[in-house]
Formats: sequence, structure tokens, C-alpha cells
Amino acid sequence: AQSVTQLDSQVPVFEEAPVELRCNYSSSVSVYLFWYVQYPNQGLQLLLKYLSGSTLVKGINGFEAEFNKSQTSFHLRKPSVHISDTAEYFCAVSDMDTGRRALTFGSGTRLQVQP
Amino acid sequence: DSGVTQTPKHLITATGQRVTLRCSPRSGDLSVYWYQQSLDQGLQFLIQYYNGEERAKGNILERFSAQQFPDLHSELNLSSLELGDSALYFCASSGTGYATDTQYFGPGTRLTVL
Repeated sequence: AQSVTQLDSQVPVFEEAPVELRCNYSSSVSVYLFWYVQYPNQGLQLLLKYLSGSTLVKGINGFEAEFNKSQTSFHLRKPSVHISDTAEYFCAVSDMDTGRRALTFGSGTRLQVQP
Repeated sequence: DSGVTQTPKHLITATGQRVTLRCSPRSGDLSVYWYQQSLDQGLQFLIQYYNGEERAKGNILERFSAQQFPDLHSELNLSSLELGDSALYFCASSGTGYATDTQYFGPGTRLTVL
């Protein structure tokens, strides 16, 4: 069984400030890791993913995330946020070993960028 | 635009009724996943189909069923609806392999049960 914990339900931040959204996971097997973003009244858009290789992953819109296996974390970062980054962000995992690709999601972090 | 389409966008119905949600995957994708997003349960995996066959089941109620047709579109059938079934229902699709990695999500169907 897998679980994903997003430690902050809401993160308020000022425009042009850096931000980090935290994600920790628990799994008995190796996992793939994903960050999705959901803008108001829209579906989920893939921001970035970690499958293998370099633990620092770059995604769209200037976001990046670092996979830390020893800490079972996959925190999302952006050095300078914009008002348009206001959205809900979801961390998710899927099994690498079993072929089961259904996503297990965290509860989401609402990023509120203020002018 | 992910290339995944879902209809209808909104659905309002009454308790005890039955509804059908439709999903068309991205061109060439063989896997379709259904997820439910609700305020109390968050985002939960319901069921996966691959090339017409059921591949994995999640927290799907017995009142819910799904199928994938030869043209690869999928339908999620929800019956004997309860107030608690009100949620956003997402469909996602992924590539040509059974266990390919990235899922692309549709815009969702918002179901309101009154």
C-alpha cells in the first residue's frame, strides 16, 4: 500500500518570492513520482515527473522538484512565483515494480500568491 | 488541452437516479483511468481499463461500473445515486503500453446529486 502526505494544506506567498511545497510518501515498493497542478474549475495538468535518473527534475512553468529516497520526499520548488501560479498542487505516486499505474494522490496544497 | 475529452461538463440529478459519464482518451492511448475528487475523500482512483479490458480496481463502489468500448472511449455508470456521490469525476489516459507512466487528465465532469 502507498500513501502520500502533503504537509501544508495552504501556502500563502508574495509574488516574486520563492516557494517550496512539501511532499512525503510511504511505499513498500519503488515508485514513480508526479506533481500535478489544478487551476480553478479545470482538470489536472502534469507539472513534472520523476521516473529514474537525476534526482532533480525540471518541469513546466519554472517548477522543479528533488527526489530524496532516504527521506522519501519529493518537494516542489519555484524560485520566484507569479500571481498566475495560484492553484492547487497535488503530489502523486504510482508503483514502479508491479506494473500497477493507478495514481495515489496527496490531499493537495493550495498555493495562494499575493501581490 | 490534454487531448482527453469528457462529457458532460456538469450533471445535476436526484438521489436514486442513474447517470453515465463519457470519456474519450488521447489519440492512440489504450489505457483509461477514472478518478473521483470529493471534498472529504480527495482524489481517489476508481478503475482502469486497458484496450477494452479491466486492469485494476480501486475504491469503486458496487453501484458504480465502467466499460471501455472498441473505439477506446470509456463510460462510467453511476446508479442508485446518493448525496455523497456528488463530486468531480476525472478520466485520464496513458500511452500504448499497459504500464506506461504518465497519465493525462480530462477536464472532468461535475456531478451534483440533489
